[in-house]
Amino acid sequence: QVHLVESGGGVVQPGSSLRLSCAASGFSFSDSGMHWVRQSPGKGLEWVAVISYSGGDKNYGASVKGRFTISRDNSRNTLYLHLSGLRPEDTAMYYCAKRSGSLATLDSWGQGTLVTVSS
Amino acid sequence: QSVLTQAPSASGTPGQRVTISCSGSSSRFPLNTVNWYQQLPGTAPRLLIYDNNQRPSGVPDRFSGSKSATSASLAISGLQPEDEAEYFCAAWDDSLNALVFGGGTKLTVL
Repeated sequence: QVHLVESGGGVVQPGSSLRLSCAASGFSFSDSGMHWVRQSPGKGLEWVAVISYSGGDKNYGASVKGRFTISRDNSRNTLYLHLSGLRPEDTAMYYCAKRSGSLATLDSWGQGTLVTVSS
Repeated sequence: QSVLTQAPSASGTPGQRVTISCSGSSSRFPLNTVNWYQQLPGTAPRLLIYDNNQRPSGVPDRFSGSKSATSASLAISGLQPEDEAEYFCAAWDDSLNALVFGGGTKLTVL
């Protein structure tokens, strides 16, 4: 059974940095592309980034490009998202999700970790 | 502004059939397949329909999807109270090189 557990969220000041983690189990992590998706309070879903199974290919959403970095450690079955230059509008629940098939098919999601950017 | 447009709300009574649409201009509607996600209140999203019309295991056959050149639809037949949730369409946009989500449709079961 696929299990994804995010951690690392918290309350931070504008301009600061944070690293989110997503611990994966129950599937072959090193064979799976992974996504980060976020959801601001009361709002819809916004795609953040995707990384290929090997970590060699990465893509980012326009609003986070140049500020966020997605990475993975296949030896630890862990996905990361490094957030820098945080802004109040980055306040959101951040979900990691496993890719299956097409780039838009996210077949398993974690429960999310909340990031609040506030002074 | 999202490439994919959804009505913000929809409603139906138990047993009814409801349809949720996801549209875009013909020049912008993704050529790639469309997926649908269901988000129950207070929970993470879950995959409901993939590749336009395929159901993952565990999704009841009351849920079905379709896609044309300019829109995609999610149909729910035999509506049940537990179907009250927000529904999002999504597709990979090759021109943006990004995953795009519709704004979501909040379904109320009256």
